[in-house]
Amino acid sequence: AQSVTQLDSHVSVSEGTPVLLRCNYSSSYSPSLFWYVQHPNKGLQLLLKYTSAATLVKGINGFEAEFKKSETSFHLTKPSAHMSDAAEYFCVVNAGNNRKLIWGLGTSLAVNP
Amino acid sequence: DAEITQSPRHKITETGRQVTLACHQTWNHNNMFWYRQDLGHGLRLIHYSYGVHDTNKGEVSDGYSVSRSNTEDLPLTLESAASSQTSVYFCATAGGSGRAPGNEQFFGPGTRLTVL
Repeated sequence: AQSVTQLDSHVSVSEGTPVLLRCNYSSSYSPSLFWYVQHPNKGLQLLLKYTSAATLVKGINGFEAEFKKSETSFHLTKPSAHMSDAAEYFCVVNAGNNRKLIWGLGTSLAVNP
Repeated sequence: DAEITQSPRHKITETGRQVTLACHQTWNHNNMFWYRQDLGHGLRLIHYSYGVHDTNKGEVSDGYSVSRSNTEDLPLTLESAASSQTSVYFCATAGGSGRAPGNEQFFGPGTRLTVL
């Protein structure tokens, strides 16, 4: 069975400081992993994806994530937070022979001035 | 540019009424999905389709139905709306054919449905 756990439901950082949003997954197969972002009252936008190529994946808006198979983790990071990064972030896994996605419950990121 | 449109964007209805939410895509993607988003539950899959005339139940399909008569559209019908179906509904599409994993999903703007 596949599952995704986002370890923090809320993260608060100051503008200009690093961001770390943690995600662990469980999968019997080699997974594809994604991070999506949702700004308030908006739709969902793909930040980045891992599909068995380079383990360090770079996405939009300066975000990146590292796939660590030994730790079954796919944490999202950004060196310096911006006010516009305040949003809900979802870690997602797709494993197996279908195109269904398994969603984490989300991490709400607040960025303080 | 290719896009996914959902209509209506907001709807208020009464318990027991039939409601249909529209999803139209111009990506020419084979795969389409309906999700609902509720606080504390993240996104939950309602129904999905891998192509014309193909539909499958997701994890929360009770009370919902879909049909796929063409590539572009996957309407979601609530047969008899219930207050528990008050939610935000998202339509998504993904490229690829067959059953290859790894394709990201693209999302519409969502429909906010309130059932009174």
